[in-house]
Amino acid sequence: EDKVVQSPLSLVVHEGDTVTLNCSYEVTNFRSLLWYKQEKKAPTFLFMLTSSGIEKKSGRLSSILDKKELFSILNITATQTGDSAIYLCAVELSTSYDKVIFGPGTSLSVIP
Amino acid sequence: DVKVTQSSRYLVKRTGEKVFLECVQDMDHENMFWYRQDPGLGLRLIYFSYDVKMKEKGDIPEGYSVSREKKERFSLILESASTNQTSMYLCASSPPPPNQETQYFGPGTRLLVL
Repeated sequence: EDKVVQSPLSLVVHEGDTVTLNCSYEVTNFRSLLWYKQEKKAPTFLFMLTSSGIEKKSGRLSSILDKKELFSILNITATQTGDSAIYLCAVELSTSYDKVIFGPGTSLSVIP
Repeated sequence: DVKVTQSSRYLVKRTGEKVFLECVQDMDHENMFWYRQDPGLGLRLIYFSYDVKMKEKGDIPEGYSVSREKKERFSLILESASTNQTSMYLCASSPPPPNQETQYFGPGTRLLVL
């Protein structure tokens, strides 16, 4: 059965800390891995990763994929209270029909 | 176990056809959402509903409408399907505050408009 696992499920840090969020997967017909930030209204797209070892960066956020070990990490440096959210990892499959499997999310709380 | 189901996993329709995508959740959630997901564009919100018979536009509502006649069911309607509506459609639901940030997603419906 295809599955996506995230850890930790929740995390509390102080402003300025660096955090690493983990996502591992066991799927058939992997196409891409996606990271989202979910706040009150709807998830916001962060990164799409398709190749191993190539880091993607956007400001204080960065992410990398390891297709051999089947995991990805999302790093956030110099955290701010505005980074508090649920971070979703999802894997897109390439099958006879497209399928997206979401992980449970990591709830991040950044306290002043 | 949390469960969100979508009526079809794969649909093929012709341009101009009216298309109904159904979503049902069994968790008694107030909030329900319809998204479309396209390569490189991520997840984009089409419509959402916070209660029965209540709907609000998301980021890309054009060409779509929705219906929420019962709490457990949220339907997405394409009045006249067009080829640019070929996409993966994801339904989600979420509980009331204080846990409303957590959304539970269905398996998705892949729609191809010819």
